[in-house]
Amino acid sequence: SYELTQPPSVSVSPGQTASITCSGDKLGDKYASWYKQKPGQSPVLVMYQDNKRPSGIPERFSGSNSENTATLTISGTQAMDEADYYCQAWDISTHVVFGGGTKLTVL
Amino acid sequence: EVQLVESGGGLIQPGGSLRLSCAASGFTVSTNYMTWVRQAPGKGLEWVSVIYSDDSTYYADSVKGRFTISRDNSKNTLYLQMNSLRAEDTAVYYCARQGAGTVAPLDSWGQGTLVTVSS
Repeated sequence: SYELTQPPSVSVSPGQTASITCSGDKLGDKYASWYKQKPGQSPVLVMYQDNKRPSGIPERFSGSNSENTATLTISGTQAMDEADYYCQAWDISTHVVFGGGTKLTVL
Repeated sequence: EVQLVESGGGLIQPGGSLRLSCAASGFTVSTNYMTWVRQAPGKGLEWVSVIYSDDSTYYADSVKGRFTISRDNSKNTLYLQMNSLRAEDTAVYYCARQGAGTVAPLDSWGQGTLVTVSS
């Protein structure tokens, strides 16, 4: 079955750039999506088709996907960006697959 | 406005059954791929099941043979019938719209409904 791997945690200082990675076999051949989830809330889509932002998502969010790694980058990170972030892709064997999630701490 | 509202969760004994509902508004369930995703307490997101617009259905290995996804087009509602429930099925269950293709993201999510399997 297909698997996606994320670092459990990433820390960043306010105003700096945060990068959250997601690794999977030939992930660059698939589309990656990213979801943000705050405690007690439902996930929210923040990036799709590798680098497209849904309406309402700030421009400081960007994405890339190449070879085996997709990356969500948050420039000028703000306190409100602190949350859990999940990558997701589609694979014929497992259909929708999520990474294990990364807790972003802004300190 | 797209909206998804889950219901049907609750406390159930191991071996019991529950049916979750997800009422959709603002779009047509039958023309989209619809998924169920769950999240155990303190854990990450886990895909559970999907129903495609051609009525094909797929399940995670952990629920295959026990859970059944379906939809009622007249009610624009998605369902998840859960049988032979186990403690490890305890989670918040979310329904989500996947759009109209396998590469489409899960662009709208419900608020979730909590299922607790315990004696």
